[in-house]
Amino acid sequence: AQSVAQPEDQVNVAEGNPLTVKCTYSVSGNPYLFWYVQYPNRGLQFLLKYITGDNLVKGSYGFEAEFNKSQTSFHLKKPSALVSDSALYFCAVRDMGGTYKYIFGTGTRLKVLA
Amino acid sequence: EAQVTQNPRYLITVTGKKLTVTCSQNMNHEYMSWYRQDPGLGLRQIYYSMNVEVTDKGDVPEGYKVSRKEKRNFPLILESPSPNQTSLYFCASCAASGRRTSTDTQYFGPGTRLTVL
Repeated sequence: AQSVAQPEDQVNVAEGNPLTVKCTYSVSGNPYLFWYVQYPNRGLQFLLKYITGDNLVKGSYGFEAEFNKSQTSFHLKKPSALVSDSALYFCAVRDMGGTYKYIFGTGTRLKVLA
Repeated sequence: EAQVTQNPRYLITVTGKKLTVTCSQNMNHEYMSWYRQDPGLGLRQIYYSMNVEVTDKGDVPEGYKVSRKEKRNFPLILESPSPNQTSLYFCASCAASGRRTSTDTQYFGPGTRLTVL
């Protein structure tokens, strides 16, 4: 069965420091991987995705993610965190077994401290 | 403006009283989906639809029904709500993969907070 794990419930980082939010996955076949962000009292917003090609994917708001097939990881990164980046981040994978099921991780709350 | 709308945004009801949460999108997307968000469990997919009259179960379909009679609408029906269905519900849509304009990017509605007493 396909799954996504976000091992950290919360990540704290000082403003201006680099941030990493971790995600590992388990799928059969080639994965479609996504990161979404949820600000308080809002729906989820798309940040970036990996379908194929370059392992380093750039997305919205200066975020990027690195696809690592050998480690089955898709960690979200940003070189310099902003207080406004504080939010709940979800990693997701799309089932590539002929369905359109999406599996989301449990979410990681990012807190950027001024 | 491209958007996914949900109604109502907030609903408090009692056990057993049938309810419907509506979802509508104006992007002509083929794919639509319902999720529930619970603390510590993230988002879990309830049902999805790949096109009109085509629906399929997600990971947590028990106690829910859906229909897709029109491309833009995908209502979520709780025939006999129970307290364990108290949750935050999200509808989402995206263009179907395979089309040249497809992005596989889901657009989410603002959420419906449901409380079942």
